[in-house]
Amino acid sequence: KQEVTQIPAALSVPEGENLVLNCSFTDSAIYNLQWFRQDPGKGLTSLLLIQSSQREQTSGRLNASLDKSSGRSTLYIAASQPGDSATYLCAVGAPDSSGYSTLTFGKGTMLLVSP
Amino acid sequence: EADIYQTPRYLVIGTGKKITLECSQTMGHDKMYWYQQDPGMELHLIHYSYGVNSTEKGDLSSESTVSRIRTEHFPLTLESARPSHTSQYLCASSEEGGYFSTDTQYFGPGTRLTVL
Repeated sequence: KQEVTQIPAALSVPEGENLVLNCSFTDSAIYNLQWFRQDPGKGLTSLLLIQSSQREQTSGRLNASLDKSSGRSTLYIAASQPGDSATYLCAVGAPDSSGYSTLTFGKGTMLLVSP
Repeated sequence: EADIYQTPRYLVIGTGKKITLECSQTMGHDKMYWYQQDPGMELHLIHYSYGVNSTEKGDLSSESTVSRIRTEHFPLTLESARPSHTSQYLCASSEEGGYFSTDTQYFGPGTRLTVL
C-alpha cells in the first residue's frame, strides 16, 4: 500500500527566504506526483503536476522535482512571501486495481511566512 | 476556469439523521472523487467515479454511498449520521477518466460536517 510522508510537518520562515519542502513515497510504480496548496477551511489548489517520466516542473517561484527511483520529491519556493502561508500537500497518482489513477496524500507541511 | 461546487459548506446535525452532501462541476469532467479529511490529517479517498453509472470505493472504508446519474453531479449520502462521521468532506474532479490519468484534480471548497 502506497504511503506518502512529508517533512517537515511545520515550517516558519521570514519573508524573502528560499525554502524546500520534502515528500517521500514507498512505491515507485506511480503515474504522476502532484503538489497542492490548502488554505484554512478551504479546498485544495493544484500547484504543479509532474509526470512519472519527468524530473521537474516549474511555475513562477515554484519548482518541483521528482526522483521516482528513490521515491522522493521536493517543492522549492523562492523568495517566500506572507501570501505563501498555507498547508502544502504532496499526492502520488498510482494505479488502482483497474489501472485507473487515484491519489494518495501526505499529511502536509504547514508553512508560515512572517513579514 | 475550473468550477466545482459543494453544498452545504457547513452542516451541524443530530445523530440518526439522513444527509446528502452535494457536489457539482461545470467542466464536463468524467472522473469525480470524494475525500474525507480530519484536522491535521491526510485526505483519504472514500469514493470515486469514472463516469455516469460508475462508482467505486476508495481506500478508506466509509458508511456513505454515492451515485452518478449525471456527469456533473456526484452526491454523497449518509443514511444515519453518527458522531464518528464528523469530518471535512472534499469533492474533486478531473478531465481524464481513463488509464494513465495525467490530469490535475480540481477541488471544491469542502463541507464541514458535525454530527452531535
